[in-house]
Amino acid sequence: DTAVSQTPKYLVTQMGNDKSIKCEQNLGHDTMYWYKQDSKKFLKIMFSYNNKELIINETVPNRFSPKSPDKAHLNLHINSLELGDSAVYFCASSQDDTGAKYFGPGTRLLVL
Amino acid sequence: AQSVAQPEDQVNVAEGNPLTVKCTYSVSGNPYLFWYVQYPNRGLQFLLKYITGDNLVKGSYGFEAEFNKSQTSFHLKKPSALVSDSALYFCAVATGGYQKVTFGTGTKLQVIP
Repeated sequence: DTAVSQTPKYLVTQMGNDKSIKCEQNLGHDTMYWYKQDSKKFLKIMFSYNNKELIINETVPNRFSPKSPDKAHLNLHINSLELGDSAVYFCASSQDDTGAKYFGPGTRLLVL
Repeated sequence: AQSVAQPEDQVNVAEGNPLTVKCTYSVSGNPYLFWYVQYPNRGLQFLLKYITGDNLVKGSYGFEAEFNKSQTSFHLKKPSALVSDSALYFCAVATGGYQKVTFGTGTKLQVIP
């Protein structure tokens, strides 16, 4: 009965490769997010989608492209991976502006 | 610009003692305040939120937080700590508008048996 799920859980890849992370929520929420957590546990928002529309796009390189095929899914595609992209990426969802966020388990990305 | 500060990287408390994890914020306008907990290798879990109303907010697992507007603080508290409360705690602030939330840097809580 997972509320927010992400795949894969772990991702190890070489520099320059392209990879995707998938996220799905079964909570019926309207808003979904991608967050990046670095090695010091600092958490930074990357993107926010509301009903499949991009709402927040924080200063993220163009190599990162989110896609929301429907309001239950928000995928993240990363082109030309760099060493600095190594981090844990969390997907989250919330019902409205004041709602609590529900986070997925995270995708641990390691770029070699 | 909004910001949130968690002044302590780590808090140690003995099991059974009361615990406090501190958080102060800076926003223009009325804040929405949140606490989340992160266990090792897991995503963040929502504990509680303050939007409006009573300054004392009760949340999951026996945690509560007190909104203090004059001190711009939102400290997390629990009357009696459990070893299982040991985790990383994040305070967060927003001012509405599609949830552009700013997270604090996190405080590691260590409950000692």
